[in-house]
Amino acid sequence: QKEVEQDPGPLSVPEGAIVSLNCTYSNSAFQYFMWYRQYSRKGPELLMYTYSSGNKEDGRFTAQVDKSSKYISLFIRDSQPSDSATYLCAMRTNAGKSTFGDGTTLTVKP
Amino acid sequence: EAGVVQSPRYKIIEKKQPVAFWCNPISGHNTLYWYRQNLGQGPELLIRYENEEAVDDSQLPKDRFSAERLKGVDSTLKIQPAELGDSAVYLCASSLMEREGNEQFFGPGTRLTVL
Repeated sequence: QKEVEQDPGPLSVPEGAIVSLNCTYSNSAFQYFMWYRQYSRKGPELLMYTYSSGNKEDGRFTAQVDKSSKYISLFIRDSQPSDSATYLCAMRTNAGKSTFGDGTTLTVKP
Repeated sequence: EAGVVQSPRYKIIEKKQPVAFWCNPISGHNTLYWYRQNLGQGPELLIRYENEEAVDDSQLPKDRFSAERLKGVDSTLKIQPAELGDSAVYLCASSLMEREGNEQFFGPGTRLTVL
């Protein structure tokens, strides 16, 4: 079983929809929780970063971390066609070791 | 600031041939990572450097893979000999160790196809 499991998708939504992306994990040593966006044939780029439990909002994006349930989420409000990409969750221990989920491919249709 | 530079962007080789990838991190970033990303999967760490020191190479297949980061700046990842299963995208990333969150900046990757 993988340390990080991500809802596989793919996910297709109409423009303006609210999108929910989710990951679960098993390693209690993870302290930092990240969401990356990856466009086709590009490297991942950091969208959101959260330390420990809680919520963080940045524009249309909200990241939630529930360490008690070992569950993290990314919400995208008012989704746009330009949000179409693969979204990767990632988690890191204090020792600096990062583990990525396998990604969820999102398509936002105009 | 200039991003992480990788070359080549694409490489096609026959199995059993050697191949090398080059990475130049963002200026001033002392931590450098090499990842392998298979189709439909997330990046998997191969090796992490802090300055010149390889601090985590536990996932590097040392029988055929080698890496170096001379002078703590750019880095080279080599595969010799390549196998069919090595076909993947090889991503380089860099970060400032001291920066909160230790944000990793990724390069565009090198897409390797082994025939």
